Amino acid sequence: GAVVSQHPSRVICKSGTSVKIECRSLDFQATTMFWYRQFPKKSLMLMATSNEGSKATYEQGVEKDKFLINHASLTLSTLTVTSAHPEDSSFYICSALHPQGSIQYFGAGTRLSVL
Amino acid sequence: AQSVAQPEDQVNVAEGNPLTVKCTYSVSGNPYLFWYVQYPNRGLQFLLKYITGDNLVKGSYGFEAEFNKSQTSFHLKKPSALVSDSALYFCAVRDRADTGRRALTFGSGTRLQVQP
Repeated sequence: GAVVSQHPSRVICKSGTSVKIECRSLDFQATTMFWYRQFPKKSLMLMATSNEGSKATYEQGVEKDKFLINHASLTLSTLTVTSAHPEDSSFYICSALHPQGSIQYFGAGTRLSVL
Repeated sequence: AQSVAQPEDQVNVAEGNPLTVKCTYSVSGNPYLFWYVQYPNRGLQFLLKYITGDNLVKGSYGFEAEFNKSQTSFHLKKPSALVSDSALYFCAVRDRADTGRRALTFGSGTRLQVQP
């Protein structure tokens, strides 16, 4: 299957700092990527849809100024958690929508721990 | 609105026995249906999808799923379970009629435990 790379896999940061997570589609171009958040023993919660060359579409209740999304190229979307707080600690997963077949391919996820 | 229900939090099965992980869905139009598997601290891996055509879909690692429109179900099956199949399984749906929203709606996940 297609490959989506997500980096870093794990990050620990102090409260108040910002953290950037990268999501790259390695073998296909993705005009649309998605960012999810997964709580322990819970399902994936869609945070936002990242559209190449335009603004991201955020789900209701997700603060766009806190979770900045940039999709500057057809293979890269970034999620920046600004002024992180302990309640932002979670597992963040990105996916990229393959242009053929309607399949989303997922990154390996990023475990964010805010101290 | 679209939704997915996975009624079982956990399914236990002995190695070599057949397994079924249940999924039912609700969409206003026709569905795209997917199964993904997640191993600990990992992202989701695509297993199989139903878009159109044959109701029985075959996917990776010997898994298959049957689309049943009348029962709005898409249960995941495998004839003979392996210990290595133990993982968290997610069913997901997308409403084909909703061209403006391409995100998937996921079920709550079912943990499959295969005992040796």
